[in-house]
Amino acid sequence: DTAVSQTPKYLVTQMGNDKSIKCEQNLGHDTMYWYKQDSKKFLKIMFSYNNKELIINETVPNRFSPKSPDKAHLNLHINSLELGDSAVYFCASSQEFRDEQYFGPGTRLTVT
Amino acid sequence: GDSVTQMEGPVTLSEEAFLTINCTYTATGYPSLFWYVQYPGEGLQLLLKATKADDKGSNKGFEATYRKETTSFHLEKGSVQVSDSAVYFCALTYAHQGGKLIFGQGTELSVKP
Repeated sequence: DTAVSQTPKYLVTQMGNDKSIKCEQNLGHDTMYWYKQDSKKFLKIMFSYNNKELIINETVPNRFSPKSPDKAHLNLHINSLELGDSAVYFCASSQEFRDEQYFGPGTRLTVT
Repeated sequence: GDSVTQMEGPVTLSEEAFLTINCTYTATGYPSLFWYVQYPGEGLQLLLKATKADDKGSNKGFEATYRKETTSFHLEKGSVQVSDSAVYFCALTYAHQGGKLIFGQGTELSVKP
C-alpha cells in the first residue's frame, strides 16, 4: 500500500487555468504538508495542516488554496495559473511536528 | 533566520569510494536534523535523523552525527554503490514551527562503476 499518494503525477495546462492536486495518506498521521520543488531542486514549504487546521501558510500567493476535508486528505487548488507555478509539488505527512515526514511521489506541474 | 547549507554538487565518485557530504546549519534553538534522499523521478525518502546533540543517525551504511559545537550534520558512507546515485538533502525542523522542514539546496551524487 502506498503511504502518501498524489494525483495526478503529471499536469500540463495553460496559463490562466485552474487546477487541483490531490493528496491522501494512509499512515494515520495528524499533520500534512505541501512543498514546492523548483527547477534547481530547491524545496520550500507552502502549507502545513494539523487535524484539518491550517498551521503554516508560508507567504504563498492567495491563488493557492489548500483544503483538508479530513485528516487523511490535503488537496491543493491553484487559480489563474502562471508560468512561474511550473514546479514539482510534493505532499507529505507526519505524526508530530518534529517527526520525520513521509513524502508522496510528487506532481510535476507544467504551465505553458 | 534558520538555514541549512550543503556542499555544492554534483559529486562524482567511483564505486566503493568513501562519501562525505557536508551540511552545516544556522539555528536559533535545538532542531531535529534529517537527511533525505531523492532518487530520479521519485519523492523524498528519509535516510536518517538525529534529534539532539551527539546523536548519531544511521541507515543503509550511511551515518551522520549531530554536532552542536560545529553546527554540522555531515553525511558519510564508507563504500558507495551505483545504486546510491541520487540527490541528498539535509534538513532541520522544530516542533514549534508547525513541522516546517528547512532544506539545504541538495547535493547530487553520481557513482560510476
